[in-house]
Amino acid sequence: GNSVTQMEGPVTLSEEAFLTINCTYTATGYPSLFWYVQYPGEGLQLLLKATKADDKGSNKGFEATYRKETTSFHLEKGSVQVSDSAVYFCALHSGGTSYGKLTFGQGTILTVHP
Amino acid sequence: DAGVIQSPRHEVTEMGQEVTLRCKPISGHNSLFWYRQTMMRGLELLIYFNNNVPIDDSGMPEDRFSAKMPNASFSTLKIQPSEPRDSAVYFCASSSPGGRNGYTFGSGTRLTVV
Repeated sequence: GNSVTQMEGPVTLSEEAFLTINCTYTATGYPSLFWYVQYPGEGLQLLLKATKADDKGSNKGFEATYRKETTSFHLEKGSVQVSDSAVYFCALHSGGTSYGKLTFGQGTILTVHP
Repeated sequence: DAGVIQSPRHEVTEMGQEVTLRCKPISGHNSLFWYRQTMMRGLELLIYFNNNVPIDDSGMPEDRFSAKMPNASFSTLKIQPSEPRDSAVYFCASSSPGGRNGYTFGSGTRLTVV
């Protein structure tokens, strides 16, 4: 079956530090890959996505590249801000008859200190 | 588009009472998902619908939980009778046909059963 594994958190960084949150997946076929972000007290929001191998998704300074050879979709940001403190979820959609159902990782808590 | 709309935002009820959570998906989206989020168990998929038909309810924890989708613009999740361990944030999400654009989540209903 499909699965998503994220690096365990929580992750604590100082402002302007470099961020990497690792995500690897197991899926059949050619999944689409997503990163969602959840700010305190809010629902999950789509942060970025990639639909085929070697695609790079980007948004708000965050980037992730779909690496089929390593089955990975690591999230990176060059300089984090306090406002980036949130929970980050990696997810995949395997297509086919999944009716749009996403498989989520367990989430990684990021805290950025001034 | 107003996004996925959930109501109420907060619900406090006494143990044993019936609770009904409501969701209006994005117009044109044909899949709808109900999730529960707690600190202990993280994000759990309860049930999902495609074209108003329940596809998989294996995540519904007990017979006390039921969900309906009478039409394309409305779904309910009902808990009867409610128990303190049902306290959680319940999210509704919808996705477009094919699902490769991911989900749009609602803001959630925070349920507290006392």
